[in-house]
Amino acid sequence: EPEVTQTPSHQVTQMGQEVILRCVPISNHLYFYWYRQILGQKVEFLVSFYNNEISEKSEIFDDQFSVERPDGSNFTLKIRSTKLEDSAMYFCASSPVLGSSYEQYFGPGTRLTVT
Amino acid sequence: QKEVEQDPGPLSVPEGAIVSLNCTYSNSAFQYFMWYRQYSRKGPELLMYTYSSGNKEDGRFTAQVDKSSKYISLFIRDSQPSDSATYLCAMSAWDFGNEKLTFGTGTRLTIIP
Repeated sequence: EPEVTQTPSHQVTQMGQEVILRCVPISNHLYFYWYRQILGQKVEFLVSFYNNEISEKSEIFDDQFSVERPDGSNFTLKIRSTKLEDSAMYFCASSPVLGSSYEQYFGPGTRLTVT
Repeated sequence: QKEVEQDPGPLSVPEGAIVSLNCTYSNSAFQYFMWYRQYSRKGPELLMYTYSSGNKEDGRFTAQVDKSSKYISLFIRDSQPSDSATYLCAMSAWDFGNEKLTFGTGTRLTIIP
């Protein structure tokens, strides 16, 4: 069964450093997302991406964040200068077509720890 | 008022019992209602979705949506220890370009053998 994969599973970085989180969405999916979950809190939307551009972003997704689809398979989230409060699980998700928000499939997540 | 509210639990029930999980919401634009299961330190796993009001059944799972009350439920019949997880409700509007999911906090469920 196709699935979303994410690397690394755990990333430890120092405050102020740049990190890139990587995702490989399900191969025939067209719509991609990043969410985060701070420990003990709910899953929060960060950004959606369609046709090589950002479709929607939340207030959390400020200038320190960027997304990119560098090739036909990968989807990345970059945090330019990490802060302690960026420590969280980051989930990538994908859905097959525009308008299928009800069918978002999530990856296993990357646990980001900022020290 | 939070957009989506969900009792965090924890909820413990004996094996074989019927489990009822619920969420309420305030945003009348929500049209799609999803239930995800999340095991500890794993990604959310889509269980089922419902469009607008009504019921939907999938094996031991039944999802109900009452849009007039802004209330959704997930029922698990013949609960098994393997159903022990955190259950997240999630919702979205039916709007191209507005595809984000809004989640509840999740209810932690334990099925006692």
